[in-house]
Amino acid sequence: AQSVTQLDSQVPVFEEAPVELRCNYSSSVSVYLFWYVQYPNQGLQLLLKYLSGSTLVKGINGFEAEFNKSQTSFHLRKPSVHISDTAEYFCAVSDLVGNQFYFGTGTSLTVIP
Amino acid sequence: DTAVSQTPKYLVTQMGNDKSIKCEQNLGHDTMYWYKQDSKKFLKIMFSYNNKELIINETVPNRFSPKSPDKAHLNLHINSLELGDSAVYFCASSQGGTSRLYTDTQYFGPGTRLTVL
Repeated sequence: AQSVTQLDSQVPVFEEAPVELRCNYSSSVSVYLFWYVQYPNQGLQLLLKYLSGSTLVKGINGFEAEFNKSQTSFHLRKPSVHISDTAEYFCAVSDLVGNQFYFGTGTSLTVIP
Repeated sequence: DTAVSQTPKYLVTQMGNDKSIKCEQNLGHDTMYWYKQDSKKFLKIMFSYNNKELIINETVPNRFSPKSPDKAHLNLHINSLELGDSAVYFCASSQGGTSRLYTDTQYFGPGTRLTVL
């Protein structure tokens, strides 16, 4: 079965600093990859997704992620964070072989003024 | 207009009671989902319906029964509530059918926080 690992449960970062949120998955065979964001007391919304094509995916709010098949990773990055980026970030994987969809355990990003 | 709405937003009830959570989407999507998010923020899919038909049914106790009267609505009924059912329940929808189940963007509702005392 597929698994998704978000290595950092909490990431504090100062405003305007860069940030990387890490995501690894267990199998590189036939997967689609997603990042969702959950702002406080809200539902999730899609930041970006990788289905095929360029391994560098650009999303909303200045976020981007890179699909690295050899390292089975899909890390999320932003060059300069804002206070409003404080939220929970979830990596998710569609396993097309097992027909399953998994969320990671989430990374809580706190932007410090 | 809210794309995916859930009612109620908060639900506090005693153990053993039966309760329902309603979900509606006005996006014209074909597929709807229920997720459970526990106290550690872990999200797990429970059910998915495509055009009123059940397509995903994860290992969930029989006390949980989804019902889809039409493709815009997916309700969740829970019988004999237990302490461990306390969580935030999210409804979501996506546009396509079963062939796009694992590629389409999912749109989430605001969640229903269920507390079982």
